[in-house]
Amino acid sequence: DAGVIQSPRHEVTEMGQEVTLRCKPISGHNSLFWYRQTMMRGLELLIYFNNNVPIDDSGMPEDRFSAKMPNASFSTLKIQPSEPRDSAVYFCASSSGGIQPQHFGDGTRLSIL
Amino acid sequence: RKEVEQDPGPFNVPEGATVAFNCTYSNSASQSFFWYRQDCRKEPKLLMSVYSSGNEDGRFTAQLNRASQYISLLIRDSKLSDSATYLCVVKGSGGGADGLTFGKGTHLIIQP
Repeated sequence: DAGVIQSPRHEVTEMGQEVTLRCKPISGHNSLFWYRQTMMRGLELLIYFNNNVPIDDSGMPEDRFSAKMPNASFSTLKIQPSEPRDSAVYFCASSSGGIQPQHFGDGTRLSIL
Repeated sequence: RKEVEQDPGPFNVPEGATVAFNCTYSNSASQSFFWYRQDCRKEPKLLMSVYSSGNEDGRFTAQLNRASQYISLLIRDSKLSDSATYLCVVKGSGGGADGLTFGKGTHLIIQP
């Protein structure tokens, strides 16, 4: 079975550039989550969607970050403009909701120079 | 008080030994609990859910103590391949998929 698919796996770009991260959740899962992981702060929830609708975006750092989920099989996380402090591993996860656990994608390792 | 707290370690343990670590949580209304495992430069993967009565999966045993608000993970007969970071995950009282909080993880190193 296909798991959560993220792209790209790695991204290196200069500060000020727009960065778009992509995620395809597991088919049939109705909840999708975007996380950021750094050594200092651990795993932080940025935003999550339920049935394609953003439910809680309180973890989004600032207006430079935006996320969309146009349909049940695709979501994007965009950073514009990017800054060096955005460097982290960004994970997408999905679940079938309720008390069910989340399944993570391989992550996108983002480096902003 | 942090929502979910774990001893970051590292725990250095000889192969074959038994190791246990705890995780405390602050929200008494938390409903669901999980242990995830994360290998270096990899994504977190579900290790096991934690049930009220405690549960076992092979060499791994998870316990929940609601009164003291902690969960534990016990690994028996540790293997080199058990070396990883173990994340404690707590789900709050909200409905749907919200309220999931990750600890920062406990780093475990199994030594030959």
